[in-house]
Amino acid sequence: QVQLVQSGAEVKKPGSSVKVSCKASGGTFSSYAISWVRQAPGQGLEWMGGIIPIFGTANYAQKFQGRVTITADESTSTAYMELSSLRSEDTAVYYCARVPLGYCSGGSCSLETFDIWGQGTMVTVSS
Amino acid sequence: DIVMTQTPLSSPVTLGQPASISCRSSQSLVHSDGNTYLSWLQQRPGQPPRLLIYKISNRFSGVPDRFSGSGAGTDFTLKISRVEAEDVGVYYCMQATQIPLTFGGGTKVEIK
Repeated sequence: QVQLVQSGAEVKKPGSSVKVSCKASGGTFSSYAISWVRQAPGQGLEWMGGIIPIFGTANYAQKFQGRVTITADESTSTAYMELSSLRSEDTAVYYCARVPLGYCSGGSCSLETFDIWGQGTMVTVSS
Repeated sequence: DIVMTQTPLSSPVTLGQPASISCRSSQSLVHSDGNTYLSWLQQRPGQPPRLLIYKISNRFSGVPDRFSGSGAGTDFTLKISRVEAEDVGVYYCMQATQIPLTFGGGTKVEIK
């Protein structure tokens, strides 16, 4: 049974960066994408972006373009999300989620759903 | 971006009674590959979200059969045939047909 295990809680100063990891335990990333979703306190879910490790291609939500970098290391089945220029509004729980791939053609694939989620990483941005 | 609109915001339900949540998308969720990538997630208090239903009506592994999904195009519904205490939480619809992936605002299911 694959589990996604995320790194621990972080407290950061405004203007700094945070890097959160997500390791697949009991399996690999093969044939899946990894997405990152965040949830501010008391709020809903927000997709930040994702990566298909076998292609190495990442997509980002417009809101986070230029501030977020998502990478993956297939050799360790670990994905990373780095968010820079942190501000207080970035205080949230950050989740990684596994995304089964649908039809693939020309280096891109349809994304099906979020079938397995990490436990979440609380990132607090405070001076 | 595809906007996902859920109703109601809150659903107080008596134990053993049915519950229904609607989700409407601002454009068709039919992908060019012919599939409709509409899913339903459950988030219990203090927990990460959990997949219940994918591609409109497919129950994920381990999900009780009291949960069912239906719909097509832009209108979708999640039904719980008989609500149990463990079903309390927030339910989200989400679409993966088009990037950016987007979520509904959530529907809180609570016991009356």
